[in-house]
Amino acid sequence: GDSVTQMEGPVTLSEEAFLTINCTYTATGYPSLFWYVQYPGEGLQLLLKATKADDKGSNKGFEATYRKETTSFHLEKGSVQVSDSAVYFCAFHSGNTPLVFGKGTRLSVIA
Amino acid sequence: NAGVTQTPKFRILKIGQSMTLQCTQDMNHNYMYWYRQDPGMGLKLIYYSVGAGITDKGEVPNGYNVSRSTTEDFPLRLELAAPSQTSVYFCASSYSGRSNEKLFFGSGTQLSVL
Repeated sequence: GDSVTQMEGPVTLSEEAFLTINCTYTATGYPSLFWYVQYPGEGLQLLLKATKADDKGSNKGFEATYRKETTSFHLEKGSVQVSDSAVYFCAFHSGNTPLVFGKGTRLSVIA
Repeated sequence: NAGVTQTPKFRILKIGQSMTLQCTQDMNHNYMYWYRQDPGMGLKLIYYSVGAGITDKGEVPNGYNVSRSTTEDFPLRLELAAPSQTSVYFCASSYSGRSNEKLFFGSGTQLSVL
């Protein structure tokens, strides 16, 4: 069935380190892909999205590229900050099926 | 800009009690959703609605009920609370439900059933 597999956490990085969080999906049809972020004590909010193959979504220094051939949408940031500490969720939305989420990856950035 | 508002933020229930989690949005969105978030398990869809008077089950509907009498409100009802329903509940909304559209989330309700 439809599912999202993302990198297990928690991930702990020093400030200014490079971040990659892997995400792959199994979906029927041609989904739109999303990364949502959840800061402590808050609800989820959209970080970035891509709606077709080879599209790159970007926001706040984060990037992810829609790779249809590998069914992947890995999240990257070149230099993380303490304020990036949060839980990151990969998700997809296909046709009439409501959004399907991965399990989330907790990121902690230490100064 | 209120967006999606959930109440209460925290609640402790005893086994067998009932309660309603409230959710309201002021963006005139047609689609509304209820998710639960268990530690390390991501978000699972409980129920969703595509418009007033229309609701449908998600992945984990057992033990819950919903109604959608207005566009703005989408309450979630727990009739006989069980420890397995201890979780964080999120309400979300979107305008059309199209696959390229983002969801707007409330700040969540943390529920403990003891």
